[in-house]
Amino acid sequence: DTEVTQTPKHLVMGMTNKKSLKCEQHMGHRAMYWYKQKAKKPPELMFVYSYEKLSINESVPSRFSPECPNSSLLNLHLHALQPEDSALYLCASSQESQAPNEQYFGPGTRLTVT
Amino acid sequence: AQSVTQLGSHVSVSEGALVLLRCNYSSSVPPYLFWYVQYPNQGLQLLLKYTSAATLVKGINGFEAEFKKSETSFHLTKPSAHMSDAAEYFCAVSDRLANFNKFYFGSGTKLNVKP
Repeated sequence: DTEVTQTPKHLVMGMTNKKSLKCEQHMGHRAMYWYKQKAKKPPELMFVYSYEKLSINESVPSRFSPECPNSSLLNLHLHALQPEDSALYLCASSQESQAPNEQYFGPGTRLTVT
Repeated sequence: AQSVTQLGSHVSVSEGALVLLRCNYSSSVPPYLFWYVQYPNQGLQLLLKYTSAATLVKGINGFEAEFKKSETSFHLTKPSAHMSDAAEYFCAVSDRLANFNKFYFGSGTKLNVKP
């Protein structure tokens, strides 16, 4: 099973709302990632978790708050977002956090901030 | 930091024709190299990867890529395009010397397949 699942598929939220994105994998991977992808652009790395600890934060604004409750689950908590935060949010996982482990991506959550 | 260049943001081929999507990297130490495909409103699917074994790598759906150190390239090919190949393709590299498996993606190439 090489599946990474993400919920919800679509999310519309106002700038004052608080919402969360969820990502789950059952491949026993120890590294999990959040990416942001704008239309017609490549994915941009936001966060990396390794063994449930935050390893990389690519200078992401604090209105995005990641959480890794256990080795299979990764959340992204959203608060006071801006319209420019509208994008496809992708979760990925890999066996380990070191190269050359390939990353497996979920289908993404399409976020619209109104 | 790594740099990846994908020449041609749009490539159009006829069904049955050869597909060639170009990817060049910039580092002096050859990185790990990957090709991903993304269908509309979906995540990325791994097509193939090069780590350090054979320079000609075969992937899924009939795709293959050849690592050429002298040209710092990792071009993706498929002998005969199918309509279902129409998608966005991303080349990605991962630094061999880095502590973390950070991917650097190219800007992507959108493949259009004409009937």
